[in-house]
Amino acid sequence: AQKITQTQPGMFVQEKEAVTLDCTYDTSDPSYGLFWYKQPSSGEMIFLIYQGSYDQQNATEGRYSLNFQKARKSANLVISASQLGDSAMYFCAMREGVKGSTLGRLYFGRGTQLTVWP
Amino acid sequence: DTAVSQTPKYLVTQMGNDKSIKCEQNLGHDTMYWYKQDSKKFLKIMFSYNNKELIINETVPNRFSPKSPDKAHLNLHINSLELGDSAVYFCASRQTGTGGSGANVLTFGAGSRLTVL
Repeated sequence: AQKITQTQPGMFVQEKEAVTLDCTYDTSDPSYGLFWYKQPSSGEMIFLIYQGSYDQQNATEGRYSLNFQKARKSANLVISASQLGDSAMYFCAMREGVKGSTLGRLYFGRGTQLTVWP
Repeated sequence: DTAVSQTPKYLVTQMGNDKSIKCEQNLGHDTMYWYKQDSKKFLKIMFSYNNKELIINETVPNRFSPKSPDKAHLNLHINSLELGDSAVYFCASRQTGTGGSGANVLTFGAGSRLTVL
């Protein structure tokens, strides 16, 4: 079974609008972390936001927020006020186990290609 | 200063050759990784080292051999290159440990694009 599922291969949004990128995860471990990374066309992987499984509040970082619904095992990324520079591939990822675990490998989804148009 | 640096950024070579990709991090992290991103952008872990000790070794052909001379460096050597090895290889690092509220975020290098002809 896939650990991380991103069902939207591509999304389009107009500049200044908000967009939600979907992510669902699968784990039986009560302790895990969820991450979103951005990969622009230049290729680098840029960390955006993190949500811990025990965090009570949804994570926010500037225009990024994570809509964490634990019971549904979803961790959707919301980008508010989209900008042209937000056009990129977005990856959801999960790490199982306690935060400090050396064996905490990151499982990635297949990504969502976001295109922001003027 | 680049946090995680990989060299070379681009590598074009013939089938059957041997090549290496080097990685260095100046973040003081204790764990380093190699990830492979295929042509469909799927990222998969290959190896992980913690303080020079191999701790993750996924199902990777033994033509791939990582080497960590110290905790700031993790190199990847590939023998007898095949067409299917063409991909982008990412080095990454993070700090383990439970102290603080940090997410132990994985910091990636810029990637090394390997093309096997």
